[in-house]
Amino acid sequence: GAVVSQHPSRVICKSGTSVKIECRSLDFQATTMFWYRQFPKQSLMLMATSNEGSKATYEQGVEKDKFLINHASLTLSTLTVTSAHPEDSSFYICSSEREAFFGQGTRLTVV
Amino acid sequence: DQQVKQNSPSLSVQEGRISILNCDYTNSMFDYFLWYKKYPAEGPTFLISISSIKDKNEDGRFTVFLNKSAKHLSLHIVPSQPGDSAVYFCAARLTGNQFYFGTGTSLTVIP
Repeated sequence: GAVVSQHPSRVICKSGTSVKIECRSLDFQATTMFWYRQFPKQSLMLMATSNEGSKATYEQGVEKDKFLINHASLTLSTLTVTSAHPEDSSFYICSSEREAFFGQGTRLTVV
Repeated sequence: DQQVKQNSPSLSVQEGRISILNCDYTNSMFDYFLWYKKYPAEGPTFLISISSIKDKNEDGRFTVFLNKSAKHLSLHIVPSQPGDSAVYFCAARLTGNQFYFGTGTSLTVIP
């Protein structure tokens, strides 16, 4: 079946630095991938839709300049959290367009 | 605006009994519904799905029921096993592969 690989699974960074999260589709080409964020005991919230070869579509309230999304190829989408702050600490998950297969998630902690 | 709701944050069931997880939605344009199982610090794992044109789909111990008039779906697990203990999310899809998730129900199966 379709597999989505997300890396890293955990990252701790200092406030003010940037962190890049990668999401790869391993056995299929994904023209569209989705990025979610989950706060503790809350639902997955869609942040943005990543489109290969074009600009990402962001959900209302999500800062485009803070959460940079790049989908340069059919197998790789990246989310960069720029100038991270402690309130950005969360669990970030990507998914493919197929049955919403999910990556393993990335636990980001900003200290 | 939470379009998909899981009103029970937790559920405990004895091993061997039936687990019933419920989900309500508000948007009649959803055309596909899915259930996911999630362990802490991991991405969700797809479990079972149902198209809006059906009212039941069964896969082994898992059965999903859809009541469109009531905008309600449920996941039945029978018999429940301790390994089923996890958080279960229901999700609904709009055309274009945009998913909306419920807030999850934590299932504990007691041996």
